[in-house]
Amino acid sequence: DVVMTQSPLSLPVTLGQPASISCRSSQSLVDSDGNTYLNWLQLRPGQSPRRLIYKISNRDAGVPDRFSGSGSGTDFTLKISRVEAEDVGVYYCMQGARLPWTFGQGTKVEIK
Amino acid sequence: EVQLVESGGGLVQPGGSLRLSCAASGFSFSSYWMCWFRQTPGKGLEWVANIKQDGSEEQYVDSVRGRFTISRDNARNSLYLQMNSLRAEDTAVYYCVCTTRSSSTDYWGQGTLVTVSS
Repeated sequence: DVVMTQSPLSLPVTLGQPASISCRSSQSLVDSDGNTYLNWLQLRPGQSPRRLIYKISNRDAGVPDRFSGSGSGTDFTLKISRVEAEDVGVYYCMQGARLPWTFGQGTKVEIK
Repeated sequence: EVQLVESGGGLVQPGGSLRLSCAASGFSFSSYWMCWFRQTPGKGLEWVANIKQDGSEEQYVDSVRGRFTISRDNARNSLYLQMNSLRAEDTAVYYCVCTTRSSSTDYWGQGTLVTVSS
């Protein structure tokens, strides 16, 4: 199985400041179709998970443009340009390139 | 408005069975692969199973293969997860999900809690 490793696991941030989460996969996430299936999901307290980013850098509908994804191969990053109070929660990277689809451990974002 | 509404969760003893249901509306259900994911406090998020649009192909995580069965009824816009031989480690909130790998289609239900305990 592809192992997804996130860092940090806890991220205290100041409102209005940037935040960055790293995700590394144990294998390349480039599929046979040439696409890299790396997603970022957000889990806010009391809510269902929500995908923010698919295929490394594509924002899902309704996702604020302060969220951005980057990376290639096995190293990926989610950035929040200016953290807002509603961004508190746990963020997961997830690979959809190889079965079974697997997740990182999650990064808990909280306000300082 | 897209809605995925799960039901069927509850408390069950180890070795028991449960059948989860998911009622879908607001999108073309029969056009999409459908999935079940689960969330536990200890392990976070986990993909459980997928089923193809016409039900002809199913995929499972190893830990549930042979015990869980995913199915669908396109006429009823419904997705199911039959869970047998349940174990304590299956305790989780189970989510019905419609997601695509290459487009901005990603819908999650509100989740249903399954607790396996004696």
